[in-house]
Amino acid sequence: AQKITQTQPGMFVQEKEAVTLDCTYDTSDQSYGLFWYKQPSSGEMIFLIYQGSYDEQNATEGRYSLNFQKARKSANLVISASQLGDSAMYFCAMRDNSGGGADGLTFGKGTHLIIQP
Amino acid sequence: EPEVTQTPSHQVTQMGQEVILRCVPISNHLYFYWYRQILGQKVEFLVSFYNNEISEKSEIFDDQFSVERPDGSNFTLKIRSTKLEDSAMYFCASSEYSVVSYNEQFFGPGTRLTVL
Repeated sequence: AQKITQTQPGMFVQEKEAVTLDCTYDTSDQSYGLFWYKQPSSGEMIFLIYQGSYDEQNATEGRYSLNFQKARKSANLVISASQLGDSAMYFCAMRDNSGGGADGLTFGKGTHLIIQP
Repeated sequence: EPEVTQTPSHQVTQMGQEVILRCVPISNHLYFYWYRQILGQKVEFLVSFYNNEISEKSEIFDDQFSVERPDGSNFTLKIRSTKLEDSAMYFCASSEYSVVSYNEQFFGPGTRLTVL
């Protein structure tokens, strides 16, 4: 069974500061993927970034980077130079990759990020 | 940019009634999923669908639920006899088949189901 833990229910950050959102995971799978999604107050789920368990380099997408520490089973999301529009719920998720795409995502409980001007 | 669409955006129903939630996945995608999110809680996987059959389902997806791809574009979730606890946001997602393991799941905007 897979499990995602996000220990920060809420965070307040000043605009333009960098933010780190914590995510730890537990799985017995050898091949897995880690995802971050953003959910603004409007409710849609927006994909941010992906890291595969065999990827040697940390994933980056614009202002988003994923700090992947496999031995520690952590996959923290780093947002550089935060903006007011980054205020949202952020969900970490994972999936077993051995199934070729059939497996659903297991989500954490999320972190509510509020960027203050 | 192609996107997943869902209808209706909000559905209100009486307990015990049947509801059908509709989704149009991205056209070249082959994997389809349903998730639900009870208000204020995490997103939970319900079912995945590939090649006209269920690939995987969670323990939430009991006999009350069924999925169907009635034609080449729609993907539906049916709840046979709704309960109060079925009130949630239901997300449809789709992903393309890939020979590599990674395939991003694109989510639709969701259908908010309210059971009275």
